[in-house]
Amino acid sequence: AQTVTQSQPEMSVQEAETVTLSCTYDTSESDYYLFWYKQPPSRQMILVIRQEAYKQQNATENRFSVNFQKAAKSFSLKISDSQLGDAAMYFCAYRIPYTGANSKLTFGKGITLSVRP
Amino acid sequence: NAGVTQTPKFQVLKTGQSMTLQCAQDMNHNSMYWYRQDPGMGLRLIYYSASEGTTDKGEVPNGYNVSRLNKREFSLRLESAAPSQTSVYFCASSEQGEVGELFFGEGSRLTVL
Repeated sequence: AQTVTQSQPEMSVQEAETVTLSCTYDTSESDYYLFWYKQPPSRQMILVIRQEAYKQQNATENRFSVNFQKAAKSFSLKISDSQLGDAAMYFCAYRIPYTGANSKLTFGKGITLSVRP
Repeated sequence: NAGVTQTPKFQVLKTGQSMTLQCAQDMNHNSMYWYRQDPGMGLRLIYYSASEGTTDKGEVPNGYNVSRLNKREFSLRLESAAPSQTSVYFCASSEQGEVGELFFGEGSRLTVL
């Protein structure tokens, strides 16, 4: 079974600085998708960034980028120029690209990021 | 755009009572999901429906039933609520096949006394 591990329950960063959130996963599949979701205090789940395993290039979305190491099964999220609005819980998630019963998303336990002004 | 709509947003139940969480999506997605979120546990899949007319158990299905009423709607029922079911529940939907993100509802906070 696929598992997603976020070993750091909490992190803190100074406003305007850079922070990296770690995630590792375990799978026997060669093709899959990885995601980072953000959950602010409003509880809404917001997709931050997505990475397809077959792509070697790391995904970027404005201030958010990933470091995808397929051999190491590592998928970290880097937030540059941290802003107060980045304070939230962040979840790493994994999914395989099959239809039907295997289409579910598996989540890590999450990491709470606080941003110091 | 409504996206994924869950009702109710908040509910307090007594042990043994029953209730149904409703979920509807307007994105014409085939797949729908129910997750629960507990502190320190992340989101765990309760049930999912890959397409209209099919449902499958997820990681934590005990104590729950689901109904995929039509392509738009996917309900979660607690037949006899227990304090262990106190949680925040999320409904989500996604397109089948072409792997994309899951779109989530705003969550429903359920407290069982």
